[in-house]
Amino acid sequence: AQKITQTQPGMFVQEKEAVTLDCTYDTSDQSYGLFWYKQPSSGEMIFLIYQGSYDEQNATEGRYSLNFQKARKSANLVISASQLGDSAMYFCAMREGYAGGTSYGKLTFGQGTILTVHP
Amino acid sequence: EPEVTQTPSHQVTQMGQEVILRCVPISNHLYFYWYRQILGQKVEFLVSFYNNEISEKSEIFDDQFSVERPDGSNFTLKIRSTKLEDSAMYFCAVDLDSYEQYFGPGTRLTVT
Repeated sequence: AQKITQTQPGMFVQEKEAVTLDCTYDTSDQSYGLFWYKQPSSGEMIFLIYQGSYDEQNATEGRYSLNFQKARKSANLVISASQLGDSAMYFCAMREGYAGGTSYGKLTFGQGTILTVHP
Repeated sequence: EPEVTQTPSHQVTQMGQEVILRCVPISNHLYFYWYRQILGQKVEFLVSFYNNEISEKSEIFDDQFSVERPDGSNFTLKIRSTKLEDSAMYFCAVDLDSYEQYFGPGTRLTVT
């Protein structure tokens, strides 16, 4: 079974609108962390946001927020006020066994969602 | 300033040749990771390295692959006899003091 599932191969959004990128995960661990990365066409992997499994509040970083629904095992990324520069591939990832703070361990990635922002 | 740099940025090699990809951390890091991304696909974990030894490896990381820190600073990934299917982007990553795993800029490997 896939540990990270991103069901939207591609998404389109109008500039200045908000968009939600879906991510569901599968783990039997109680402690885990969820990550979102952005990969522009240049290829680098840019960290966006993190949510620990024990965090009670949804994580936010500027225009990025993570809609964490633990019971549904979903960790959707919300981008508000989309900009043309947001056009990129977005990956959801999970680190099992560690909830937050100083943590380490491999990341397991989903297949990614290509976001296109239209002017 | 980047936490890690990777060299070369692009490597072209012939099938059967050995390649060495390098990762240079800017500051002290305990954990190192190698990932690969075949064009258009997801990022896949290869191996993690801690305290100068492998701490975990994936099924992809077979006998053709090896990692080491030859001089205590550079962190290398060696592919002994490259195959066409080894063509991919290879990322080195490190854990920061926070929860973030920082990815280097990557080396694009093309096997012909």
